[in-house]
Amino acid sequence: KAGVTQTPRYLIKTRGQQVTLSCSPISGHRSVSWYQQTPGQGLQFLFEYFSETQRNKGNFPGRFSGRQFSNSRSEMNVSTLELGDSALYLCASSTTGHRYQETQYFGPGTRLLVL
Amino acid sequence: AQKITQTQPGMFVQEKEAVTLDCTYDTSDQSYGLFWYKQPSSGEMIFLIYQGSYDEQNATEGRYSLNFQKARKSANLVISASQLGDSAMYFCAMREVNNAGNMLTFGGGTRLMVKP
Repeated sequence: KAGVTQTPRYLIKTRGQQVTLSCSPISGHRSVSWYQQTPGQGLQFLFEYFSETQRNKGNFPGRFSGRQFSNSRSEMNVSTLELGDSALYLCASSTTGHRYQETQYFGPGTRLLVL
Repeated sequence: AQKITQTQPGMFVQEKEAVTLDCTYDTSDQSYGLFWYKQPSSGEMIFLIYQGSYDEQNATEGRYSLNFQKARKSANLVISASQLGDSAMYFCAMREVNNAGNMLTFGGGTRLMVKP
């Protein structure tokens, strides 16, 4: 089975621009979560989607948004980029996300650099 | 208060020796899951091992085992017979049953360096 894929792998943007990152979950997985990883703040939860619905959102400004499509693929968007948005963005998938026992499997991440 | 604490920012271990990476957690939920992930320099988070709050036996997966002490709220990862390829960041994470959605809370990580 193919793993979680994320595109693009690397991205350079300038302040004020917007960016869209894509995540394709493992086949059959319907829960997709997004995390931001920075040296200063560590790994932080952004949001999670299941059946095209956002079930939970972390403590991030409204510039961070996401969506999920009927095939479970997900995108996240960051508008009006700031220097502090430079980070590794990780996507993870699991079967349903209903049970705390479920393992989340991560993609390779997208490294975003904002200049 | 931190939900997941990893007190060792960096550790060295000699190749072929065993190493223990510490993780303590804080939760008021009775039901929760604890996960360990490995992150090489490439960035991908690789799942290693899982321990549920009701599991009476310590989890094991190959060279990885989890020393779970529920009363002390600790879930330490033990890597036996370290290999050079084990050099990476290691993260402890928790999923609480009362979390809406599928949210993992991560510790700050431990950087493990294996010496030849």
